[in-house]
Amino acid sequence: DTEVTQTPKHLVMGMTNKKSLKCEQHMGHRAMYWYKQKAKKPPELMFVYSYEKLSINESVPSRFSPECPNSSLLNLHLHALQPEDSALYLCASSPDWASVPTGWYFGPGTRLTVT
Amino acid sequence: AQKITQTQPGMFVQEKEAVTLDCTYDTSDPSYGLFWYKQPSSGEMIFLIYQGSYDQQNATEGRYSLNFQKARKSANLVISASQLGDSAMYFCAMRETQTSGSRLTFGEGTQLTVNP
Repeated sequence: DTEVTQTPKHLVMGMTNKKSLKCEQHMGHRAMYWYKQKAKKPPELMFVYSYEKLSINESVPSRFSPECPNSSLLNLHLHALQPEDSALYLCASSPDWASVPTGWYFGPGTRLTVT
Repeated sequence: AQKITQTQPGMFVQEKEAVTLDCTYDTSDPSYGLFWYKQPSSGEMIFLIYQGSYDQQNATEGRYSLNFQKARKSANLVISASQLGDSAMYFCAMRETQTSGSRLTFGEGTQLTVNP
């Protein structure tokens, strides 16, 4: 099983809402990542978790709060978002932080619209 | 800091023909990896092919091959016998390992359209 799953596929939320994105992998990978992708642009790294610890936060605003409850699960909690946060949110995993060769496996993404 | 450059915002190819998508990179890390991903309109990033900086031979995966020219710092993707389903955005990416861990950085992408 080389699959990374993400739920929900689509999410529409108001600026005062609280919602969460979920990512799951059962490949035994110990590194998990959140990327944000705006339309027609490349993905941009937001967070890296390695062995369930937050290792990289790319200066992401605090209205995005990541959580890694266990080695298979990665959440992204959303609160008080802005319309410019509307994007495709991609989760990825890799066997470890410096893995080769295929390295990064991506989920299908969650399309988030903030109204 | 590393940099990935894809100079072709859009490319068109006839079905069954071959097409080359360009990618150049810049890094001071002697150990790095280069990836190509395909992203259809559905959004999923699909891994296509990988080339390590110390690999002596060019990587191949089915209809995909990577033309790796280390001295020129280029890693072009060649798709042979294009199919209509190949129409998608293609991203070149590089893995760079730092003391804080590895990161995967993407180029701006090339939108490929395969015409029947």
